[in-house]
Amino acid sequence: SQTIHQWPATLVQPVGSPLSLECTVEGTSNPNLYWYRQAAGRGLQLLFYSVGIGQISSEVPQNLSASRPQDRQFILSSKKLLLSDSGFYLCAWSAMDRGYEQYFGPGTRLTVT
Amino acid sequence: GNSVTQMEGPVTLSEEAFLTINCTYTATGYPSLFWYVQYPGEGLQLLLKATKADDKGSNKGFEATYRKETTSFHLEKGSVQVSDSAVYFCALSYSNYQLIWGAGTKLIIKP
Repeated sequence: SQTIHQWPATLVQPVGSPLSLECTVEGTSNPNLYWYRQAAGRGLQLLFYSVGIGQISSEVPQNLSASRPQDRQFILSSKKLLLSDSGFYLCAWSAMDRGYEQYFGPGTRLTVT
Repeated sequence: GNSVTQMEGPVTLSEEAFLTINCTYTATGYPSLFWYVQYPGEGLQLLLKATKADDKGSNKGFEATYRKETTSFHLEKGSVQVSDSAVYFCALSYSNYQLIWGAGTKLIIKP
C-alpha cells in the first residue's frame, strides 16, 4: 500500500531563517507530487506541483521554492522566511492508475516568529 | 473557467441531525468530483468521489450524487455524530495534474 510522510510535524522558525520541509512517498512509482499551504481557517492554496524528477511547476510567485531530487521525494524550501509564510503545509501525491484523486500527508505546522 | 463553490460555514448541527453541505461547480467537459474531509490538525482524506453524471459516491454514511443538470455535488448524511466535526472540501478534476478546490465548510456537531 502507499504511504506518504512529511517532516517535521511542527516547526517554529525566526524571520529571515531558511526552511526545508521534506515529503516522501512509498509504494508507488512516478507519482505526481504537490505542495499546498493552508492559512489558519482558510482553504487550500496550491504552491507547486511536479510530474517527474526535476520538473517543477509554480502556481504562485512567492518566497518559496520546490525541488524533486528523487522520484518519490519532494522538498519545499526558502532562503529567508517571512512572517506571511506561517501556515499548515501539506504534501500530496496522485497517480494515473489511481484516477485524479490526491492523497495527503499529515502536514507540517510552520510558525514564523 | 473552472470553479467550485461551497456553502459558507460554520454549519452547526445537533447530534443525529440530517446534514447537507452544498457544492456547485463550473467546468468545461466532464470532470470527476470529490469530497475530502480534514479533521483538526490533520491532512485531508478522500471521503468519496464520482466520475460521471448520476454516479453516487458513498462512504462512512456520507453520500453525494453527481448532478450534471444542476452542476451540483451536495454532500449528505442521514444522522451526524460528534466525530463528524471537521472541515469538508469539495473539488473537481481540472487536468491529469490538478484539482480545483472549494473554500471548505466547517461542520460542528454538538452533543
